[in-house]
Amino acid sequence: DVKVTQSSRYLVKRTGEKVFLECVQDMDHENMFWYRQDPGLGLRLIYFSYDVKMKEKGDIPEGYSVSREKKERFSLILESASTNQTSMYLCASMPGASSYEQYFGPGTRLTVT
Amino acid sequence: LAKTTQPISMDSYEGQEVNITCSHNNIATNDYITWYQQFPSQGPRFIIQGYKTKVTNEVASLFIPADRKSSTLSLPRVSLSDTAVYYCLVAGEYGNKLVFGAGTILRVKS
Repeated sequence: DVKVTQSSRYLVKRTGEKVFLECVQDMDHENMFWYRQDPGLGLRLIYFSYDVKMKEKGDIPEGYSVSREKKERFSLILESASTNQTSMYLCASMPGASSYEQYFGPGTRLTVT
Repeated sequence: LAKTTQPISMDSYEGQEVNITCSHNNIATNDYITWYQQFPSQGPRFIIQGYKTKVTNEVASLFIPADRKSSTLSLPRVSLSDTAVYYCLVAGEYGNKLVFGAGTILRVKS
């Protein structure tokens, strides 16, 4: 069965802390994505990666960075967390260009205080 | 980017067919249309994908007119468990055109 896992379901961090959100997929998918989801705004794409060590900015990359050193792992980094980054973070993976079926992880609810 | 527009919410009753329309006026030639379902506290789940005309799978149908500027997700005979948020997404090569709409809250009543 297809699986995308995220390192934490709930996370509480302080303003200014460096935060790492980890995502791992076991499907050998080329593409991986990080979204944030806020009430009334739907899902917004932060970054995506279509290959190891490759990354592209999404709609709202400011304040975030990503790392993809291995195919199965895609990390989202908040260099200096701020309260406006309190949100639900969702990771997804997707096979190659012929299919646009994304597989989502369960999400990490991050609270920055 | 192909921005999508969907109704904010819809109500239906068990056993009825539900049609949710999504507008995507700026869709590009190579873009596909996909729909996802999301329950509270879960990640979205893929429902269906299409490029043109009609696509049907075991859970839904997707109707896309010739101009491809809109699409309609059809859920036959909904049940209470279909109460969820439904997202329309225009997807392009390598994900660089992935744009989720705000979603449609579907409430199914008994």
